[in-house]
Amino acid sequence: QEQLVESGGGVVQPGRSLRLSCTASGFSFSTYGMHWVRQAPGKGLEWVALISSEGSNKYYADSVKGRFTISRDNSKNTLYLQMNSLRAEDTAVYYCARDSEESGDIYYTYDAFGVWGQGTVVTVSS
Amino acid sequence: EIVLTQSPGTLSLSPGERATLSCRASQGVSSTHLAWYQQKLGQAPRLLIYGASSRATGVPDRFSGSGSGTDFTLTISRLEPEDFTVYYCQQYGTSPITFGQGTRLEIK
Repeated sequence: QEQLVESGGGVVQPGRSLRLSCTASGFSFSTYGMHWVRQAPGKGLEWVALISSEGSNKYYADSVKGRFTISRDNSKNTLYLQMNSLRAEDTAVYYCARDSEESGDIYYTYDAFGVWGQGTVVTVSS
Repeated sequence: EIVLTQSPGTLSLSPGERATLSCRASQGVSSTHLAWYQQKLGQAPRLLIYGASSRATGVPDRFSGSGSGTDFTLTISRLEPEDFTVYYCQQYGTSPITFGQGTRLEIK
């Protein structure tokens, strides 16, 4: 079945870096746009970043722009989120999510998030 | 940025009753780019409705979505015990993609 599995979370000090991974299986990873979404403890959902199917288009929330980088390796069916200059307010469960439908790369078409991973916890604390 | 405001924050109802959840946008949202998600405690969100009114695969027909422009509604026709959890609306028509703050549906 279609599945996303996140990894790489943990406890990190403010100002340090962390890289999250999301491994996909059960579908053609290279034909879908992908996202990172986070949820701070006891709070709602916050979209973080998206990347189109081949990586030509990338968009970020203002709260992470310039600090986080989304990327993908379609040969490894894996999505990444490189997080630098981490802050306490970045503490959250980080989910990867997949667009519901296949979409183009150059002309990305926004879509609802049809498949989600189980999440990985990131805690930024000294 | 399109801000989505969900109301009420908490809705107290009994099993078998009808639930009406609201999502209001700060500016017009294409009805083809409005979704609703259900999130149970400790789990990832689950897509219920996309395109404002289309049910995702496997979603029971007691869930329905409607609306256009700036006002959207999720209706649960007859509440089942497993429906008492948190619901989020989302606009995905433009970046930044945004979510509402959520409505908690609790047993009265």
